[in-house]
Amino acid sequence: KAGVTQTPRYLIKTRGQQVTLSCSPISGHRSVSWYQQTPGQGLQFLFEYFSETQRNKGNFPGRFSGRQFSNSRSEMNVSTLELGDSALYLCASSTGQTSYNEQFFGPGTRLTVL
Amino acid sequence: QKEVEQDPGPLSVPEGAIVSLNCTYSNSAFQYFMWYRQYSRKGPELLMYTYSSGNKEDGRFTAQVDKSSKYISLFIRDSQPSDSATYLCAMSGMGNQFYFGTGTSLTVIP
Repeated sequence: KAGVTQTPRYLIKTRGQQVTLSCSPISGHRSVSWYQQTPGQGLQFLFEYFSETQRNKGNFPGRFSGRQFSNSRSEMNVSTLELGDSALYLCASSTGQTSYNEQFFGPGTRLTVL
Repeated sequence: QKEVEQDPGPLSVPEGAIVSLNCTYSNSAFQYFMWYRQYSRKGPELLMYTYSSGNKEDGRFTAQVDKSSKYISLFIRDSQPSDSATYLCAMSGMGNQFYFGTGTSLTVIP
């Protein structure tokens, strides 16, 4: 069974630009969650999508947005990039259908904002 | 105050030592408690999962949850160099939203 894939793996952007990251979940998984990982803050929850609907949202500004397609693939967009957006962005997929679902993480996209 | 607090370390131990990793939390609604391991340049992978209070053992790993103290622990017995990684605690309530600690970096020296 193929794992969670994320593209691209590395990205370098400049301040003010926007970026789109992609996540393909494990086949059969309908929930995709996105996290930002930085050395000081650890993993911080951005949002979760389940069956094309945003089901949970963390405390990030509106510059961070996402969507999920009918095949469960998800994209995350960050507009007007800031230096502080430099981080590892992880997505995790799960079945999403019960109170607890094991989350399977992808390798992440390393975003550097110059 | 953060929802989950974890000592970032780093922690360095000799091979064969017993390692103790800990997290505290503030939200009494948390019911599911996880430990993830993350190797460099990889995503986190689930190591242990516990529901509510109690102990759970899996090989060299033991997870403990004390909900009355809002404190969870992971013990690694007979630590190996391959255990060198960052260990993240995580927890959630009824929803599918996970709250993570900042991670503890562990190095096991041969």
